[in-house]
Amino acid sequence: KAGVTQTPRYLIKTRGQQVTLSCSPISGHRSVSWYQQTPGQGLQFLFEYFSETQRNKGNFPGRFSGRQFSNSRSEMNVSTLELGDSALYLCASSLGDRDLLIHNSPLHFGNGTRLTVT
Amino acid sequence: GIQVEQSPPDLILQEGANSTLRCNFSDSVNNLQWFHQNPWGQLINLFYIPSGTKQNGRLSATTVATERYSLLYISSSQTTDSGVYFCAVLLTGGGNKLTFGTGTQLKVEL
Repeated sequence: KAGVTQTPRYLIKTRGQQVTLSCSPISGHRSVSWYQQTPGQGLQFLFEYFSETQRNKGNFPGRFSGRQFSNSRSEMNVSTLELGDSALYLCASSLGDRDLLIHNSPLHFGNGTRLTVT
Repeated sequence: GIQVEQSPPDLILQEGANSTLRCNFSDSVNNLQWFHQNPWGQLINLFYIPSGTKQNGRLSATTVATERYSLLYISSSQTTDSGVYFCAVLLTGGGNKLTFGTGTQLKVEL
């Protein structure tokens, strides 16, 4: 079974531009979540999607957005890039479940997209 | 929000040595995972362990949820074990929002 696939692996953008990152979850997984990793802040939760609906969001400005398609693939977008957005962006998928009170499956991460903003 | 603390922050071992990494968390959690991040940035799922003990080869993990801590044991360490080890927790009702600890940077030397 193929793992979580993220594209592209590396990206260099200029301040003010926007960027779109893509994530294909493990087949059958319906939950996709995104994380940002920086040396200063560590790993931080961005948002989670389940069945095309965002059901959880971290403390990031509105410049960070995402969506999920009917095949569970997900994209995240960062607009008006800032130098501080340089980071490793990681996507994770899991079987997930509709009831937020129950969690019964581990998260599996992709290799990440390393974004550099100059 | 919940606090997740890992110790030690850094660890250097000689190949063949054993080690114990600790993860403390400040609130009740629905679940806990241990990850190994390799030098290329990939997060590899080691254990999914809300409670009890699990073993996988040279690695084992124990979570005592009532006392809010988890331990990761590495036996007979190898240079390929080098990297950063993270624990991450899920709060009840938190969906798939993992809160990560700050990690333990492990270096295994020959």
